Amino acid sequence: DAKTTQPTSMDCAEGRAANLPCNHSTISGNEYVYWYRQIHSQGPQYIIHGLKNNETNEMASLIITEDRKSSTLILPHATLRDTAVYYCIVRFYSGGGADGLTFGKGTHLIIQP
Amino acid sequence: DGGITQSPKYLFRKEGQNVTLSCEQNLNHDAMYWYRQDPGQGLRLIYYSQIVNDFQKGDIAEGYSVSREKKESFPLTVTSAQKNPTAFYLCASSIGAHRRGSGNTIYFGEGSWLTVV
Repeated sequence: DAKTTQPTSMDCAEGRAANLPCNHSTISGNEYVYWYRQIHSQGPQYIIHGLKNNETNEMASLIITEDRKSSTLILPHATLRDTAVYYCIVRFYSGGGADGLTFGKGTHLIIQP
Repeated sequence: DGGITQSPKYLFRKEGQNVTLSCEQNLNHDAMYWYRQDPGQGLRLIYYSQIVNDFQKGDIAEGYSVSREKKESFPLTVTSAQKNPTAFYLCASSIGAHRRGSGNTIYFGEGSWLTVV
């Protein structure tokens, strides 16, 4: 399984862009990068995912390097409600053909007022 | 509203008892999953199911059991064999078992807290 490395915590000022890095140097050519976030005691919330190209949706942008060994999640205008743990995940596949998501400890993003 | 419903939100278990956590989804998803989360830790996969009447062990299946008799339901039983069951349990689902690189998204329920007393 491709593993990911994220900083344990980050701070960002409210209204500024929050840039969350992730390293996934062992990613395979057809494995996707997913981002989720989790607010304490709630289920993880899907944010965005991508394979090779940069992606954007109403929540965030995902920038994937050309060699696919790292990516950055960008929250363009952070608000206090964006304070959460952010998980960068690469899909894994079992030998039986099913799949799931392997979660690490993520990055605790704290938005400062 | 479509979504994943877990119940109960909070559950207390006495030592030696089995308890069952419910997970229902009305998203018409084929695949369902159970994860366990300990304080300050990431999620670990317990069991997953690709289709009705089929399920596979995840990374930490010992002391747990599941069933998948209906597409929309995937209950998890925490048995007395699970020595440290106090944790936050998350159920999830996705459209279907997919080929490598298909990119299907997994959606989560709101979780159930299990405490051993």
